[in-house]
Amino acid sequence: NAGVTQTPKFQVLKTGQSMTLQCAQDMNHNSMYWYRQDPGMGLRLIYYSASEGTTDKGEVPNGYNVSRLNKREFSLRLESAAPSQTSVYFCASTRQGISYEQYFGPGTRLTVT
Amino acid sequence: KNEVEQSPQNLTAQEGEFITINCSYSVGISALHWLQQHPGGGIVSLFMLSSGKKKHGRLIATINIQEKHSSLHITASHPRDSAVYICAGFSNSGYALNFGKGTSLLVTP
Repeated sequence: NAGVTQTPKFQVLKTGQSMTLQCAQDMNHNSMYWYRQDPGMGLRLIYYSASEGTTDKGEVPNGYNVSRLNKREFSLRLESAAPSQTSVYFCASTRQGISYEQYFGPGTRLTVT
Repeated sequence: KNEVEQSPQNLTAQEGEFITINCSYSVGISALHWLQQHPGGGIVSLFMLSSGKKKHGRLIATINIQEKHSSLHITASHPRDSAVYICAGFSNSGYALNFGKGTSLLVTP
């Protein structure tokens, strides 16, 4: 099992460009999450998908959109990147909700210039 | 605002020392995760606990829900334990984890 995979690992964007971060899990998990991690701050939830077909906003959703393409895949889109979105992005999945063990992807390091 | 506070922020220990990392939360939670983030950035789950104590190898986690406090202990620390340790609390009625900012541990030979 690959667990949770994310692509790309690194990305540099110019302000205003768009991109999609891809996440996939092969553990048959129902819930998936997108977090961002910034220096001096804890992980913050951007969006989550409690189950296939549902998505909801987290703590910091502005500037992002998500798609739960199927049970395996949960993508995060930046429509018009801003320097404030420079961060490390982690995708995670759980069997069902936050009371289960979280499995994290390796992260995507995004720089917006 | 961060409702989960970890202490210390940074910790340096010599190999073999007993290490304690603390996690306190200002809001009621029903359980808590402990996570480890390796120097390369990867995050793995160590424990999830809602009461008492759990042990895995040299790692021990305890929680007291009433006192809103959890501790992670590492016995006989080793340089490979060097990492950032993160606690994250949650309530059964919630949908999101409240993450601490992490404790950066360096174990020197």
